[in-house]
Amino acid sequence: AQSVTQLDSQVPVFEEAPVELRCNYSSSVSVYLFWYVQYPNQGLQLLLKYLSGSTLVKGINGFEAEFNKSQTSFHLRKPSVHISDTAEYFCAVSRTSYDKVIFGPGTSLSVIP
Amino acid sequence: GAGVSQSPSNKVTEKGKDVELRCDPISGHTALYWYRQSLGQGLEFLIYFQGNSAPDKSGLPSDRFSAERTGGSVSTLTIQRTQQEDSAVYLCASSRDRTSGTEQYFGPGTRLTVT
Repeated sequence: AQSVTQLDSQVPVFEEAPVELRCNYSSSVSVYLFWYVQYPNQGLQLLLKYLSGSTLVKGINGFEAEFNKSQTSFHLRKPSVHISDTAEYFCAVSRTSYDKVIFGPGTSLSVIP
Repeated sequence: GAGVSQSPSNKVTEKGKDVELRCDPISGHTALYWYRQSLGQGLEFLIYFQGNSAPDKSGLPSDRFSAERTGGSVSTLTIQRTQQEDSAVYLCASSRDRTSGTEQYFGPGTRLTVT
């Protein structure tokens, strides 16, 4: 079975500062990795995904994530955050290309002006 | 084209009543997923459809929950004899097919409140 850990439930950061949201996963098989974002009162939106290939993945809105197989991590980063990045961020894994997605508990990012 | 749509957007029901939640996937998407988002449990998988069949129902929390999909399109999630712990946002997602199922597009959700 797969599981996802997001150690930081809340991350406050000042505007224009860099941010890293941590994600670790557990799986006995290869997995696909995702980051989703949920803005207040909105649905889930895919930020980026890792399927294979380059371990550095670039997504929308200036976010990127790096897959580290040895550390079973998939941390999300942005060099300079904006107020509009305030949202809930979910790391997720999927065992196959059509399997259900297992979500982490989420990290609430608050950008402080 | 249009995204995944869900109806109703909000539903308030009395404990013990049955409710039906509807999902309209993106046209042409053969895979459809139901998830539940609640304060205490986070985002949980409920059921997955490929076409009209459901190869994975492992997330349905009890036999009060059922889902069907007709014509490879619209899906209905039914909760019988609702309980207060069923209060949550129910999310539907769809993806193109089995091989590209990695990218799931989510609907806005139905917020269910059981009083």
